Amino acid sequence: AQRVTQPEKLLSVFKGAPVELKCNYSYSGSPELFWYVQYSRQRLQLLLRHISRESIKGFTADLNKGETSFHLKKPFAQEEDSAMYYCALSSYGGSQGNLIFGKGTKLSVKP
Amino acid sequence: DAMVIQNPRYQVTQFGKPVTLSCSQTLNHNVMYWYQQKSSQAPKLLFHYYDKDFNNEADTPDNFQSRRPNTSFCFLDIRSPGLGDAAMYLCATSYSRSTGYTFGSGTRLTVV
Repeated sequence: AQRVTQPEKLLSVFKGAPVELKCNYSYSGSPELFWYVQYSRQRLQLLLRHISRESIKGFTADLNKGETSFHLKKPFAQEEDSAMYYCALSSYGGSQGNLIFGKGTKLSVKP
Repeated sequence: DAMVIQNPRYQVTQFGKPVTLSCSQTLNHNVMYWYQQKSSQAPKLLFHYYDKDFNNEADTPDNFQSRRPNTSFCFLDIRSPGLGDAAMYLCATSYSRSTGYTFGSGTRLTVV
């Protein structure tokens, strides 16, 4: 079965500390993985995609097929990073992909 | 310059009274999705349209229906809302599997 697991419901760190938001997936095919972020009172928005190997707002995520993980990392957390983070997996082949979301991790960055 | 617009932002409906939520997009994306998100839970896909082709998830209740009269608009109809249908309903669009989704702000539905 296709599944995305985010084991931490809440992650609290101090400003300047490293942060890692964990995501594990279960998928039999070749996965497309994403991180979405939702700031307070804003819409869910794409943060980054594994396929583009980009760094957005200092965040990076590497797909580890051996460990079936796609953890989100940032070396120095900022207060403005406080938000809800969702890991998502695209479950279809072809041109459209139906996203399966994890339950999300709330990141709180304290001053 | 919101590209996926959901109306209304908040909707209160009576138990059993049909309700329609709307979504429009200016991106000209082929695919439009409806997700249901209950408190502290992951967004759950209800159905999606690829152009005019409707794709229903196997576990989406019959109470939920959708219409897509043209590329820009998509509607979610709940025929007889129950208390358990109170949730945030998210509309999203996508161009391709690899590009990810663009989400609307959501409509929070309350059933009284």
